[in-house]
Amino acid sequence: SQQGEEDPQALSIQEGENATMNCSYKTSINNLQWYRQNSGRGLVHLILIRSNEREKHSGRLRVTLDTSKKSSSLLITASRAADTASYFCATAGAQKLVFGQGTRLTINP
Amino acid sequence: NAGVMQNPRHLVRRRGQEARLRCSPMKGHSHVYWYRQLPEEGLKFMVYLQKENIIDESGMPKERFSAEFPKEGPSILRIQQVVRGDSAAYFCASSPRGARDQPQHFGDGTRLSIL
Repeated sequence: SQQGEEDPQALSIQEGENATMNCSYKTSINNLQWYRQNSGRGLVHLILIRSNEREKHSGRLRVTLDTSKKSSSLLITASRAADTASYFCATAGAQKLVFGQGTRLTINP
Repeated sequence: NAGVMQNPRHLVRRRGQEARLRCSPMKGHSHVYWYRQLPEEGLKFMVYLQKENIIDESGMPKERFSAEFPKEGPSILRIQQVVRGDSAAYFCASSPRGARDQPQHFGDGTRLSIL
């Protein structure tokens, strides 16, 4: 079964607002990664947070990790139309990544 | 430095035919992963290869599916005697080392349609 579960499945907001997506997982991890997928394209890596880290920033992205709750969140601040995409969390064990079902984010102009 | 290259981008096959999907990893990357994605779903792991070796094939059906990553040339995902349920997007990813500490770099996928 899938390790990561994203919430919500779909999110629609106005340009300029912040978007928050959540990810829960079941087993212990080495790291957790977030990816973006534009329609018809491959996944693009956004950010990797290790199991001993609690928060990480990259530009307008902020990722948190709570290993006690087995959850992570991705915050996109000051959203833009170009942020419209599907966002996936992926948990890394020893050998491979396990992806969640994704959150489909729509930014309305 | 070119990214992960997959070809063909689109592949149409009739039931019973063979499908061959190719993946050239990024330069210097010796780890290759294959995933399958159905519409509106996440990626499902199929197989993990490291030059000439299959490391983990736990996500790949035991029948009709095979994968290789030869010393020279691209990685190949081969589906024999395709059925309608094989219709999906197949993505390849590569990394310089294993998934433990490394992000993966993805190609744009091969969309396989079975008539």
